[in-house]
Parts: sequence; structure tokens; C-alpha cells
Amino acid sequence: DGGITQSPKYLFRKEGQNVTLSCEQNLNHDAMYWYRQDPGQGLRLIYYSQIVNDFQKGDIAEGYSVSREKKESFPLTVTSAQKNPTAFYLCASSAMWAEETQYFGPGTRLLVL
Amino acid sequence: GIQVEQSPPDLILQEGANSTLRCNFSDSVNNLQWFHQNPWGQLINLFYIPSGTKQNGRLSATTVATERYSLLYISSSQTTDSGVYFCAVERDSGAGSYQLTFGKGTKLSVIP
Repeated sequence: DGGITQSPKYLFRKEGQNVTLSCEQNLNHDAMYWYRQDPGQGLRLIYYSQIVNDFQKGDIAEGYSVSREKKESFPLTVTSAQKNPTAFYLCASSAMWAEETQYFGPGTRLLVL
Repeated sequence: GIQVEQSPPDLILQEGANSTLRCNFSDSVNNLQWFHQNPWGQLINLFYIPSGTKQNGRLSATTVATERYSLLYISSSQTTDSGVYFCAVERDSGAGSYQLTFGKGTKLSVIP
């Protein structure tokens, strides 16, 4: 089946710890995105990547980092600099030159201990 | 930046009823999408609709880009329609990258 997978489903972070969220897609999409969702809110863009080895900051990039070493993978690291990391994190992808529908993964819930 | 406002914020329907959700946006956009987020958090794209009207089963959507709004119609609602409906607009940030700006959503509860 083609789609987007995210892992883990739940993640717990301790004070001062960096954690990495995984996002993998087998849709052969060029573009990938990371969003953050807080309770009762819409999604906000953290980072996006149009092609391998390239990525751009979104609206709320502070305290996060990403890499895009492979077309299929776009991991997100939540660093200790992110002071309020508790949220639901969603990864998405889209084909660059086709209709720009974004397809979403099932999400990762990050909780701070 | 662009503003996206959705109304109503909350909606409770009896099963079988019809409803209309509205999305207003503050500036010209390249495109507009409607999503449904189920109670487990999964987002599903419903419509990709820059203008005009599209229908998919009991759902239909209309976007009037010149007046900067879009409507999502749900007919004969079912309990499985419950969840949050998001409108998201695409702005062209240049270099072929399309970024979505989301509204805060309409939370729909369909009761038996």
C-alpha cells in the first residue's frame, strides 16, 4: 500500500532531551512537510522540503531541526530549545508538479514528562 | 500573513440532517483544500478546490475565489462524519513551493 507512516505513535520527552520523530513515504513525492497541532487549533507549519538535501523553515521552526537525506524520509528532531513541545505532530507529502494535494500520516503525540 | 476563518466553530447535528460549513480567507490564494480529521487524529483530504463546485457522494464543496470564501456541504449526515473539518489555503511562497495555511476548524458532532 502507498502511504505515509509516522513513528512512534506516542513519545515521551524528559527535560533537556532531544527526541526524533520519524516520517516515511512511499508515494514517490518530492515535497514533504511537518506540522504541529495544539488542542483546538489548526495545523501550523514547522519545516518543509521540496527536494532531497534541501529544506526551508515554516512559521514555527524555532526549537526544531530536520534532515532530508533520502526522498522517502523526513525526520523531525524536537530539541531541548523547544520549551513547549507537547503537541500532536503531523507529517505530510505532496507531488511537486502535479495537483498539490497533501497527504498526511497518522501523527505522533509528544508528551513532556 | 493570510488569515483563514472557519464557521461555525462547533456544530451538533442529528443524524440525517444537512449542514453547511464556511471558510473565509483574507487574500488571493492559489488553491484551497478541505480536510476531515477523525477522532484518532488522521487527516483525510476531501476536496482540492481552487474554484467552482465538486461533489463526492454526500459531500460537496464550492469555492468562490473572487469573493474569498468556500463552503462545504454535508447532506444526510452520519455518525461517521463526526470530527473536525479544516479548510486550508495554499499561498505560493515562490520557487514552486506551496505552503498550506489552516483555519482553526469546525468540530462536528453527529448524534444518533
